[in-house]
Order: sequence, then C-alpha cells, then structure tokens
Amino acid sequence: GIQVEQSPPDLILQEGANSTLRCNFSDSVNNLQWFHQNPWGQLINLFYIPSGTKQNGRLSATTVATERYSLLYISSSQTTDSGVYFCAVGRTYKYIFGTGTRLKVLA
Amino acid sequence: NAGVTQTPKFQVLKTGQSMTLQCAQDMNHEYMSWYRQDPGMGLRLIHYSVGAGITDQGEVPNGYNVSRSTTEDFPLRLLSAAPSQTSVYFCASSYGMPGNTEAFFGQGTRLTVV
Repeated sequence: GIQVEQSPPDLILQEGANSTLRCNFSDSVNNLQWFHQNPWGQLINLFYIPSGTKQNGRLSATTVATERYSLLYISSSQTTDSGVYFCAVGRTYKYIFGTGTRLKVLA
Repeated sequence: NAGVTQTPKFQVLKTGQSMTLQCAQDMNHEYMSWYRQDPGMGLRLIHYSVGAGITDQGEVPNGYNVSRSTTEDFPLRLLSAAPSQTSVYFCASSYGMPGNTEAFFGQGTRLTVV
C-alpha cells in the first residue's frame, strides 16, 4: 500500500521563527490534507490540497503531485502552533495518515 | 453548523462493560468512518459507512459494532470493553469517498478501559 512519510519528526522553534514541514507519498493521490492535532487532541483541518498552492494567514501549503510531495509552511510561529502536524491521503475507503511532525514553539 | 460532533469527550470503563460512542454530522455527508489513534500506530480505520443502511469493516473491526440508520448519525458500540481498546477515537465524515473529497474529523473521545 501507499506509504506516507513526514519530516522532520520533531521540531523546536522560538516564537517568531519560520518552518517547513514535508510530506512524501509513494504513489499518486487525488486527495491530500494537512491537519493540526493540538495539545488537547483535536484534529483541525488546515488545508485540502491535492495539488497547487494555498495560503491561510501565516500558513501555506504546496503539493507537487507529479513529484509526490507536499510542503506546509508556517511563518512567524506562535506558541499556539504547538502540536502535531499530519498529512493524510485519501485512498478509496480510508485516509492514510503520515507519521506526523511534532512541533514545539517556545515563548 | 457544528460539523462533526462526538460524545462523550472522555470515558472510563471497566473491563467487560459496554458503551456507545456517539457521532453526528450536520453537513449531509454520505461517508462516515471511525478511527482509533494509538501511540506509534497512527490512526487506523475501524468501520466505515458509505450511506444510511450501509456499513463495512475497516482494518481493526474486532470488538466494535456500527450501524447507520440515518445520514447524520454513526454510533460506535463496544460490546465488551477490553484494556486493548484504550485509545482515542475519532469520527470522520466527507461528502464523498476519501479518495476524492475533504474529510472532517470530530474532536475525539478519549477512552480508558481498566
């Protein structure tokens, strides 16, 4: 089956720093999403981005489907950005989640 | 518009007890599913439904039952709770199948079986 890998696994930033999170997938996909799992465990939708680039405030995402990767950019990070970031691809009847990037933003 | 609502948020059960985790969505989505999240295992699909009256098993269905009598609701039943079912449970819904549409997840239910 398809493999979804994320890097880096862990990231510590000072407040105000920028970061790039990467998601690689081993097969072509029609559906890719980014989620933020906050410290309370909630899964928050960030982007639905099968291809192209989207921006939402300090966050933006780019998916290059032909090269099988997606990037999530976080600019001017805040402590509320802490948590785990997942990418997930949809395959027939289920979503396959990546391994996650655990982000900690220090004040 | 509440999205996907799960209840309860937290639950402690004794081994052998039964309970139902509730999931409701108000987006008129046809596809609904249940996942469990365990450390080191990621999110794994338990059961899913492609519409009212239609359900099917996912990767880890043993010990769980589901039914889908309405488009809005998709409850997950634990018949006889076991410590191995200690996990965080997420309900998800989407307009169409996961291969083609955006998923929305509930806030999760943290279940502990003692």
